[in-house]
Amino acid sequence: DIQMTQSPSSLSASVGDRVTIACQASQIISTFVNWYQQKPGKAPKLLIHGASRLQSGVPPRFSGSGSGTDFTLTISGLQREDFATYFCQQSYNTLGTFGQGTKVEIK
Amino acid sequence: EVQLVESGGGLVQPGGSLRLSCEVSGFTFRSYWMHWVRQAPGKGLVWVSRINSDGSRTGYADSVKGRFTMSRDNAKNMVYLQMNSLRVEDTAIYYCVRDLERYIFDYWGQGTLITVSS
Repeated sequence: DIQMTQSPSSLSASVGDRVTIACQASQIISTFVNWYQQKPGKAPKLLIHGASRLQSGVPPRFSGSGSGTDFTLTISGLQREDFATYFCQQSYNTLGTFGQGTKVEIK
Repeated sequence: EVQLVESGGGLVQPGGSLRLSCEVSGFTFRSYWMHWVRQAPGKGLVWVSRINSDGSRTGYADSVKGRFTMSRDNAKNMVYLQMNSLRVEDTAIYYCVRDLERYIFDYWGQGTLITVSS
C-alpha cells in the first residue's frame, strides 16, 4: 500500500503569510497527487490535481509542485478564508490513499 | 450546478445494516465513475468504494470488502451503498464523490453520518 505522509500536522500563520505543506509518498507515484481543503463541518474541496494543476475556480494563490515521492502545496498570501485543514491524496493506484491532514490555524 | 445529496445515515447497532443513497444532478451522471469516501469523527479521509460509469465494476477497501456493496441506477441518477455487518469502527461521515478522472475527486456531497453503537 502507498502511504502518504504530510508535514507538519499543524501550523500557525498570519494573514498574508506564505505557507508550505509537504506530502511524501512511500513509493514513486509520478505526479498522481491531489490536494483538498476542508473547513470544519464541510466536505473537502479539490484544489490541485496532477500535482500542479489548479482546479477550476480555485484562486491562483494556491499552487502545487513535485513529482516522484515529494510534493508541496503552497499558499502565497494566506487569506482568512484559507484557515482550514489540507489533505494530499495519491491517485496512482485504486486505493486513493489520503495523507493525515495539515491544519492551518490563525497565529 | 453539480449537486450530490446523501441520505440514509443514522444510528445502528453493531451487526446491523444500513443503505446509503446519493442523488446527483447537474451533470451527465452515466459518464462518471462514483465513489464513497468516509471520515471518522476528527480523523482523516479514507476511500471506501467505487463504481464505474455503467455499474458493471466495483472496488472496495479491504476494511469493507464482503460487507459493503456499491451500486448505481443511471436512470434515476442515484448511487447506493449497502452496508451490512456494521462495526463500531465503521462510524463516520460518508461522502458521495464524483470522479473527475482516475481517482481525482472533484465534487463531494455534504456527507451523511453513520453511528454504529449499542
